[in-house]
Amino acid sequence: LAKTTQPISMDSYEGQEVNITCSHNNIATNDYITWYQQFPSQGPRFIIQGYKTKVTNEVASLFIPADRKSSTLSLPRVSLSDTAVYYCLVGSLLGAGSYQLTFGKGTKLSVIP
Amino acid sequence: DGGITQSPKYLFRKEGQNVTLSCEQNLNHDAMYWYRQDPGQGLRLIYYSQIVNDFQKGDIAEGYSVSREKKESFPLTVTSAQKNPTAFYLCASSMGGKGPYNEQFFGPGTRLTVL
Repeated sequence: LAKTTQPISMDSYEGQEVNITCSHNNIATNDYITWYQQFPSQGPRFIIQGYKTKVTNEVASLFIPADRKSSTLSLPRVSLSDTAVYYCLVGSLLGAGSYQLTFGKGTKLSVIP
Repeated sequence: DGGITQSPKYLFRKEGQNVTLSCEQNLNHDAMYWYRQDPGQGLRLIYYSQIVNDFQKGDIAEGYSVSREKKESFPLTVTSAQKNPTAFYLCASSMGGKGPYNEQFFGPGTRLTVL
């Protein structure tokens, strides 16, 4: 079953690109990777989801190498409002309609003016 | 406005008492979830429900119970059997059909403190 590992924290200056990597060494064939953003005392919010290669939306890109043992969330030109905790999630479909949702412990991103 | 509501935002209980946390959604979502979040930890799945009148245990179900009698509602009861109930509890919902791959929409959370 998937286990996820992320850096505890990262700092970045405003306007820079930020890359946050999540390790999921034992990811299974059918598992998907999803990233969420969470501000203090709020529920997480969906950012992006992918299975392999590269996915891009209006706020982020997600890079997943061919072996799928890691994934990298890329935030272009961060601003102060991007200061938050970022979680990767591996969703696994188990047998008989049951599933597992494994969140990482989160990466606290601090954007510095 | 469509969304997920959790009430109350803060909840205090004495040790040994059961307490029920409310979660309601008007997104017409089939699936609902309960997570627990502790400081410095990720979210851990307590229970999930894919459809009305059905629910399944997550990774840390011991000491918790749920019901899913209506599509809109998924209350969580923290029983006295839960050894460390003080935590931030998050409810989420998602459309059905894709199982663990659906985008989840989270409520604002309930912070439970057991004294």
